[in-house]
Amino acid sequence: NAGVTQTPKFQVLKTGQSMTLQCAQDMNHNSMYWYRQDPGMGLRLIYYSASEGTTDKGEVPNGYNVSRLNKREFSLRLESAAPSQTSVYFCASSEARGEAFFGQGTRLTVV
Amino acid sequence: SQQGEEDPQALSIQEGENATMNCSYKTSINNLQWYRQNSGRGLVHLILIRSNEREKHSGRLRVTLDTSKKSSSLLITASRAADTASYFCATYRPYNNNDMRFGAGTRLTVKP
Repeated sequence: NAGVTQTPKFQVLKTGQSMTLQCAQDMNHNSMYWYRQDPGMGLRLIYYSASEGTTDKGEVPNGYNVSRLNKREFSLRLESAAPSQTSVYFCASSEARGEAFFGQGTRLTVV
Repeated sequence: SQQGEEDPQALSIQEGENATMNCSYKTSINNLQWYRQNSGRGLVHLILIRSNEREKHSGRLRVTLDTSKKSSSLLITASRAADTASYFCATYRPYNNNDMRFGAGTRLTVKP
């Protein structure tokens, strides 16, 4: 039972490049989330998905897009990366109002 | 803005001592959760307390919730070096089962 799997674990991008962060969960959860964590700060919610086919903006959605491909997978796309998007990105899943399970994170550096 | 705020931001204690961290939140809640994050790793769920509960225990963890003060505390008893980590509280936004927000966390250091 892998839980929540994120790929890649590390990535360096040049300003203006695009990339997609992948996330998959095997716990049959309806809800999935993308957070970013900057040094010394807590997690800030970028987007979430309550169920397959639905997505909603969180606290800091600007500069990002998401796709809930199916119940298992929830991807985060940076269309034109900026240095301000340098961060650690976490994907999580849960049942509604329940305990969240997190992936190990993607460390993204934009130069 | 973040829903919860932890206090203190950092805490340093000796092994064997107790550690208390506090969380304040802004709006009504259905439940409040505590998570631990070891350096560079993903968050791990510790405990969930519902709005109609006042206290909950799990091993060496004790969580209290005071909805009238919109606050919660996490007590770790007889701390160990392995408890060194950041601790976060999290709540779901009102009337939304899927929008979960975290506080900035308390960085706990337990010295052997």
